[in-house]
Amino acid sequence: DTAVSQTPKYLVTQMGNDKSIKCEQNLGHDTMYWYKQDSKKFLKIMFSYNNKELIINETVPNRFSPKSPDKAHLNLHINSLELGDSAVYFCASSRDRGTGELFFGEGSRLTVL
Amino acid sequence: AQSVAQPEDQVNVAEGNPLTVKCTYSVSGNPYLFWYVQYPNRGLQFLLKYITGDNLVKGSYGFEAEFNKSQTSFHLKKPSALVSDSALYFCAVRDMTGGGNKLTFGTGTQLKVEL
Repeated sequence: DTAVSQTPKYLVTQMGNDKSIKCEQNLGHDTMYWYKQDSKKFLKIMFSYNNKELIINETVPNRFSPKSPDKAHLNLHINSLELGDSAVYFCASSRDRGTGELFFGEGSRLTVL
Repeated sequence: AQSVAQPEDQVNVAEGNPLTVKCTYSVSGNPYLFWYVQYPNRGLQFLLKYITGDNLVKGSYGFEAEFNKSQTSFHLKKPSALVSDSALYFCAVRDMTGGGNKLTFGTGTQLKVEL
């Protein structure tokens, strides 16, 4: 059973399109995250939700909109895609009030042409 | 804000030799420190963490890390490297700035273990 699963794994699209990435965790965790890994492998947090409530929003363009229908799911919708959005997007989860250890999905590689 | 630094972009080591991947930290308060590994086209996998207690922390796959408060370091070590250890290694620190709980990662160190 995959603990944190993301779909799709690969996404190739044209500039200006809108796309979504879905994430689900079966660990019973309260907190979920989206991280972006750029072409130089730098990892940067984008958003964090705790029990469906947005708690971290790290100066991400408002073309990116996360949605958490329940605490096991966190989706990422991106409007009007730009070339610079090309990256690998990682979903992660952690226990609330835990030691901070994050459990990561396998990533979704987005390529904008 | 909390931060970690990984001064080496790449570390090369021969199989069977000991390896060290360096990490230094800058935090206010007590640090919660982590090491993760990323294999090509995969997600990050947790290796080990330091919360409190013994300065030498043992983790997965024979890795260990030494917490050194005076040098503000948390170097990852393994006594005998394997070719299969070749991967990208990230040091991270728990950051609760702004009320949220997140990990802030270093820039990563590519480990290459050669025969």
